[in-house]
Amino acid sequence: DSGVTQTPKHLITATGQRVTLRCSPRSGDLSVYWYQQSLDQGLQFLIQYYNGEERAKGNILERFSAQQFPDLHSELNLSSLELGDSALYFCASSDSLGGELFFGEGSRLTVL
Amino acid sequence: GENVEQHPSTLSVQEGDSAVIKCTYSDSASNYFPWYKQELGKRPQLIIDIRSNVGEKKDQRIAVTLNKTAKHFSLHITETQPEDSAVYFCAYLTRGQGNLIFGKGTKLSVKP
Repeated sequence: DSGVTQTPKHLITATGQRVTLRCSPRSGDLSVYWYQQSLDQGLQFLIQYYNGEERAKGNILERFSAQQFPDLHSELNLSSLELGDSALYFCASSDSLGGELFFGEGSRLTVL
Repeated sequence: GENVEQHPSTLSVQEGDSAVIKCTYSDSASNYFPWYKQELGKRPQLIIDIRSNVGEKKDQRIAVTLNKTAKHFSLHITETQPEDSAVYFCAYLTRGQGNLIFGKGTKLSVKP
């Protein structure tokens, strides 16, 4: 158990819909990262937050947005969903910038 | 842009043989290079990392080497065992923003 909690574990929805993925980092970790893992693809960096502020942005689509709340949990919002958005979405946390990442179990999104 | 090339994409070895995975990165300012292992259906987990002030680091059967001049680093697994079968990801830390960029992964299969 990494200490990082992601919900939901599985989500099936239709094209055009909007979903929210939630992440609770390890106790004390200020940094939260979101990664997308599609079939046969690596871990695509989406976005990073540090203590409530956006720190870095990767290849995140404009239809996607995220935020980190004062209690340090984070949410990733995916809207106008397309078939190609089907993937495993990982959240990770670390206690510092450039430290070990601790991954959650992931949220598997299926768009039909 | 930020990029790391990882080779090979798949690797099959006999139990007891050695396995080598190589990565080449683009950010010459990076100083942190971790390797993550992802077993089937599980989350990625850190197995070893190296910082730019050393050229090699070893932990039992795994070792990582770093050549900063050539901007590449490698993972070496000796005396492979079936439980080493997994997808291995290299990564490097972007110096400016402090997030990890991952390679596309190497699927290692160790045949008993």
